[in-house]
Amino acid sequence: QQQVKQSPQSLIVQKGGIPIINCAYENTAFDYFPWYQQFPGKGPALLIAIRPDVSEKKEGRFTISFNKSAKQFSLHIMDSQPGDSATYFCAASMGEGSGSARQLTFGSGTQLTVLP
Amino acid sequence: DTGVSQNPRHKITKRGQNVTFRCDPISEHNRLYWYRQTLGQGPEFLTYFQNEAQLEKSRLLSDRFSAERPKGSFSTLEIQRTEQGDSAMYLCASVRERGGFFPETQYFGPGTRLLVL
Repeated sequence: QQQVKQSPQSLIVQKGGIPIINCAYENTAFDYFPWYQQFPGKGPALLIAIRPDVSEKKEGRFTISFNKSAKQFSLHIMDSQPGDSATYFCAASMGEGSGSARQLTFGSGTQLTVLP
Repeated sequence: DTGVSQNPRHKITKRGQNVTFRCDPISEHNRLYWYRQTLGQGPEFLTYFQNEAQLEKSRLLSDRFSAERPKGSFSTLEIQRTEQGDSAMYLCASVRERGGFFPETQYFGPGTRLLVL
């Protein structure tokens, strides 16, 4: 059962554009929602993360928007650059009170290409 | 902080052979996770250690897979009697989890890419 659904699968934008990647989750026990960036041949690296008590979080050019009632969250990349070209994964985890070990459940990824 | 390291980076083996991967977490990180990532997909959780204790295993971890973390430091993941379906990237992540309100970051290694012929 895929618990975190991510779209689109791929995305191409011009430099300076604002790519938006969307994720939806099913399990309401999830309480932590990070976004990871992965370059070819590298492991994923944390970009930004949010908990459901806030609807938006911004760090530099990256913003997470969170809609708890819709069980959806999205990543916006402002003023995108060619160096942002990578695969982006949303993820979710639940607290240890839910019998979890805080392991991450990942979406299927979005391959972003930013054209110069 | 030298980051999470994994060895080897690449492994090619024939079906039926045994393989072992090693993960060296960030110093003083008390939790270590193993994930598997197949082409075009996100990582999937395999197992997790709190210090030296293996506390949870995914249903993906068949009895051909075994993991250890002696002395709570490095970890090894062994796959016995490899099958072509085991071909994937095996990722290790470590965390210094302190039980705060905001979960600590999981830091991933570069992975070991396994190809079973």
